Amino acid sequence: EAGVVQSPRYKIIEKKQPVAFWCNPISGHNTLYWYLQNLGQGPELLIRYENEEAVDDSQLPKDRFSAERLKGVDSTLKIQPAELGDSAVYLCASSGRSGSTDTQYFGPGTRLTVL
Amino acid sequence: SQKIEQNSEALNIQEGKTATLTCNYTNYSPAYLQWYRQDPGRGPVFLLLIRENEKEKRKERLKVTFDTTLKQSLFHITASQPADSATYLCAPSEGKNNAGNMLTFGGGTRLMVKP
Repeated sequence: EAGVVQSPRYKIIEKKQPVAFWCNPISGHNTLYWYLQNLGQGPELLIRYENEEAVDDSQLPKDRFSAERLKGVDSTLKIQPAELGDSAVYLCASSGRSGSTDTQYFGPGTRLTVL
Repeated sequence: SQKIEQNSEALNIQEGKTATLTCNYTNYSPAYLQWYRQDPGRGPVFLLLIRENEKEKRKERLKVTFDTTLKQSLFHITASQPADSATYLCAPSEGKNNAGNMLTFGGGTRLMVKP
């Protein structure tokens, strides 16, 4: 079974440019998460989807970040415009059942460097 | 505010010894707690889950304890091997209504096992 797929793995952009990250969760997983991870820290939740609905986006900086999961499968996270402080690893995860203790399965992440 | 504390300093131990990692939390009432392993350049991988009504959970060389009075979880690796070298993240969840599988990650502790 394929794991969570993310692309690109690495992205280098200049500040003020837009950038997008793509995630394809494990087949059949209804819940999808986007996390941000800074060096030496744990992942911090940005947004959680139950199917195509964003049920928790309280930590998403909505002035520059947006996300979508139109068909309840794959998802895109966008930053526009990017700032120097956005340099981090962006992780996508999925889990099987909402409201359960199902474990989360993480992708390899996208390492973003903003110059 | 809610806080999860893991020792930010690396833990260095000799091969064959038992590694013990600590996770303390404040202003939290987790229904369960998960431990993940993260290798450089990769996403976290689930290891163990322990519920609030469980004192201890084991899986092969891994053991997790959960003390809701002390607000602490301990993660043990017995007979440690160099391949156990990684960062270990604890993630409690209150698992409340509508919170679903909401995890908040600690900053992680890096374990180095020397041969």
